[in-house]
Amino acid sequence: QKEVEQNSGPLSVPEGAIASLNCTYSDRGSQSFFWYRQYSGKSPELIMFIYSNGDKEDGRFTAQLNKASQYVSLLIRDSQPSDSATYLCAVNAGYALNFGKGTSLLVTP
Amino acid sequence: DAGVIQSPRHEVTEMGQEVTLRCKPISGHNSLFWYRQTMMRGLELLIYFNNNVPIDDSGMPEDRFSAKMPNASFSTLKIQPSEPRDSAVYFCASRNREYEQYFGPGTRLTVT
Repeated sequence: QKEVEQNSGPLSVPEGAIASLNCTYSDRGSQSFFWYRQYSGKSPELIMFIYSNGDKEDGRFTAQLNKASQYVSLLIRDSQPSDSATYLCAVNAGYALNFGKGTSLLVTP
Repeated sequence: DAGVIQSPRHEVTEMGQEVTLRCKPISGHNSLFWYRQTMMRGLELLIYFNNNVPIDDSGMPEDRFSAKMPNASFSTLKIQPSEPRDSAVYFCASRNREYEQYFGPGTRLTVT
């Protein structure tokens, strides 16, 4: 069973802090890794993807990938209350994406 | 681009009725997925189409569920007969050749 694991949270951080969201996966053959943000009552929204080991930055977001440890993370700098949402990690499993159950992030003013 | 379009956005029906959910993928995307999301089970993949052909329907929970993609711009997910345990949010997603997958707004189905 190919699994993607995330801590369900909630992860609470103060406004302006760095939020760190983590994800582990079981399939060593996975090549593509994605982070989605889902606000309550809305659909998942693609915010980052990473294919290579190391860091990838996009604005306040940084995705980090370590294939040897089968670990992918998302850092959100200068967290804002509007970042409060559930963050889903997704890993390619052949043709489809395998989703974790998400980590709930709460940014407090 | 209009993004993935789904209809209806909300559906309330009685047990035993047929339900049809509709999806229009992003133009140029060659893959289409149907998901179901519940609090208990998270996002579950129901079926995957590639170039309009169903590739894997192993996630379809029962024979009551069926899906079609008659052309590159339209897909349906049908439940017949519907049951209360089918109540969930159903998402359609399409994907480009770079594996970037985008979700529609979803259909919230309530079966009473």
